[in-house]
Amino acid sequence: DGGITQSPKYLFRKEGQNVTLSCEQNLNHDAMYWYRQDPGQGLRLIYYSQIVNDFQKGDIAEGYSVSREKKESFPLTVTSAQKNPTAFYLCATQDRYEQYFGPGTRLTVT
Amino acid sequence: QQQVKQSPQSLIVQKGGISIINCAYENTAFDYFPWYQQFPGKGPALLIAIRPDVSEKKEGRFTISFNKSAKQFSLHIMDSQPGDSATYFCAAPPNTGNQFYFGTGTSLTVIP
Repeated sequence: DGGITQSPKYLFRKEGQNVTLSCEQNLNHDAMYWYRQDPGQGLRLIYYSQIVNDFQKGDIAEGYSVSREKKESFPLTVTSAQKNPTAFYLCATQDRYEQYFGPGTRLTVT
Repeated sequence: QQQVKQSPQSLIVQKGGISIINCAYENTAFDYFPWYQQFPGKGPALLIAIRPDVSEKKEGRFTISFNKSAKQFSLHIMDSQPGDSATYFCAAPPNTGNQFYFGTGTSLTVIP
């Protein structure tokens, strides 16, 4: 069963806590992306990685961190420095021209 | 600078009607134009895509029209159904592995 796995589907945290969102893929794609989506809004790029051990900031990287130690995995950490972390987070991979999205993680911080 | 501009932001169509969503792009290096469909609480999924060497591509009730000189492309949904109610994103990937540019999305509601 190929694809992208994001876990958990729903995540609740207290303000001030760091939280890590998981993204795993078995599509053998080099490029991976993290997006944030707020209600009624589009997709905003947080970080992306074109190859293992390399990643670049997207448009809204402040308050987030990532790592890319394995081709299959691209975890996103939402730090306490992120002012408004409550959102729907989407992980994606890319082959030559197309992006493939995971099911998303809805993070709620109170 | 927004690389891909999408309109309208929201659209309400009667069942059986035609839904039309438009996108415009700036960078002539773009050479592939996909449309994604996203249902609430789900990740976007590729719906249909076109390359600039053709002016139109049709898959079932979904058609992309492409105007290279105007740098515009549009999605037409014929015989719109309530099950088509979703958010639609146009996109343009400039080069392999580089940042993917998405439009801001169109929320489509098809009324029974």
